Amino acid sequence: ETGVTQTPRHLVMGMTNKKSLKCEQHLGHNAMYWYKQSAKKPLELMFVYSLEERVENNSVPSRFSPECPNSSHLFLHLHTLQPEDSALYLCASSQLPPGLAGGSIYNEQFFGPGTRLTVL
Amino acid sequence: GDSVTQMEGPVTLSEEACLTINCTYTATGYPSLFWYVQYPGEGLQLLLKATKADDKGSNKGFEATYRKETTSFHLEKGSVQVSDSAVYFCALSERQAGTALIFGKGTTLSVSS
Repeated sequence: ETGVTQTPRHLVMGMTNKKSLKCEQHLGHNAMYWYKQSAKKPLELMFVYSLEERVENNSVPSRFSPECPNSSHLFLHLHTLQPEDSALYLCASSQLPPGLAGGSIYNEQFFGPGTRLTVL
Repeated sequence: GDSVTQMEGPVTLSEEACLTINCTYTATGYPSLFWYVQYPGEGLQLLLKATKADDKGSNKGFEATYRKETTSFHLEKGSVQVSDSAVYFCALSERQAGTALIFGKGTTLSVSS
């Protein structure tokens, strides 16, 4: 496997179900991200993990629960979702620089193919 | 806060036509700028990037120049192909470790033969 992989690619669940999305990166990166992509809206950053610690949580409802057991794996646990949570969930990874020195530091992220989630 | 605004789509072109997708940004600092492309059924792929003013990013015939004076990063291609049909996202990232990307809403490009 290369790059960033996500499983499953498609998921249909009821509002009372519990499911998990999995992301794995094979790039040796030290940061991972969850994004939500809904129709006609910008990509929304949900969570950021840097060195396996959560560094950002953009007011995401508690029915979404991330887990980052190591630098290569990221999970998104789902429970009691709503139909409006139906979307494409994208995982990304990047290699964060050790410091702020230098003029060409940027946060290039590599994305997985996404999980298409439908909540009935 | 920081934001990215790109032209609304969809953009429909014939093969070999010229393409311009406008992108402007607002940022408190000095961001890096990106164009990502999303082909049908796939995740986002980095298309090109620029990290400082007047830099030109280029890839697969696409170009974009970082214009600090107009806070713009317009995507251009001189001759599009059917295979360029996709959704294009403009994005910025501030120069700080751990800062995630801020995306525009995306512009759908449809190229017909």
